[in-house]
Amino acid sequence: EAGVTQFPSHSVIEKGQTVTLRCDPISGHDNLYWYRRVMGKEIKFLLHFVKESKQDESGMPNNRFLAERTGGTYSTLKVQPAELEDSGVYFCASSQQGGPFTIQYFGAGTRLSVL
Amino acid sequence: QKEVEQNSGPLSVPEGAIASLNCTYSDRGSQSFFWYRQYSGKSPELIMFIYSNGDKEDGRFTAQLNKASQYVSLLIRDSQPSDSATYLCAVNLGGNTPLVFGKGTRLSVIA
Repeated sequence: EAGVTQFPSHSVIEKGQTVTLRCDPISGHDNLYWYRRVMGKEIKFLLHFVKESKQDESGMPNNRFLAERTGGTYSTLKVQPAELEDSGVYFCASSQQGGPFTIQYFGAGTRLSVL
Repeated sequence: QKEVEQNSGPLSVPEGAIASLNCTYSDRGSQSFFWYRQYSGKSPELIMFIYSNGDKEDGRFTAQLNKASQYVSLLIRDSQPSDSATYLCAVNLGGNTPLVFGKGTRLSVIA
């Protein structure tokens, strides 16, 4: 079974440009999460989808970030316009629905460099 | 502010020794506790999870949880050079709630 897939693995853009990151969760996982790690900091939560609905977007830093999950399958995270402080590694995770204790499975991340 | 604290390391242990990794958390409502291992440039990989106070063993790994002290640890017995990685402690409020991570502890096992 395929794991969580993210692409691109690395993106280098200039300040002011737009970048779109994609995440394909494990098949059948209703829950999809975006996290981000900036240099020297811990991995931090951005938002959580249940199927196509945003369950929790409390971690989104500002309105330059837009996440979508049309059809409840893959998700995209768009940054427009990108700023220097957006550089970091963006991780996607997915989990099955249900139960008091669930496991989140992570992708390898997209390393975003904004110059 | 919910926080998870870990010693960043590096923690160096000789091959065959026991590696002890520690983590404290601030939110007393935390229900689930996870240890992920991450090799450079790779995805965080779950190696242990624990929900109840006490010890949980899986092969060479033992997770320990003390909710009263808000403390979680991971012991790696018979450490191998292949165990050299960053170990991330993460907690959540149970169910499908978001994970709160520590910065990670870098472990180096010396052959």
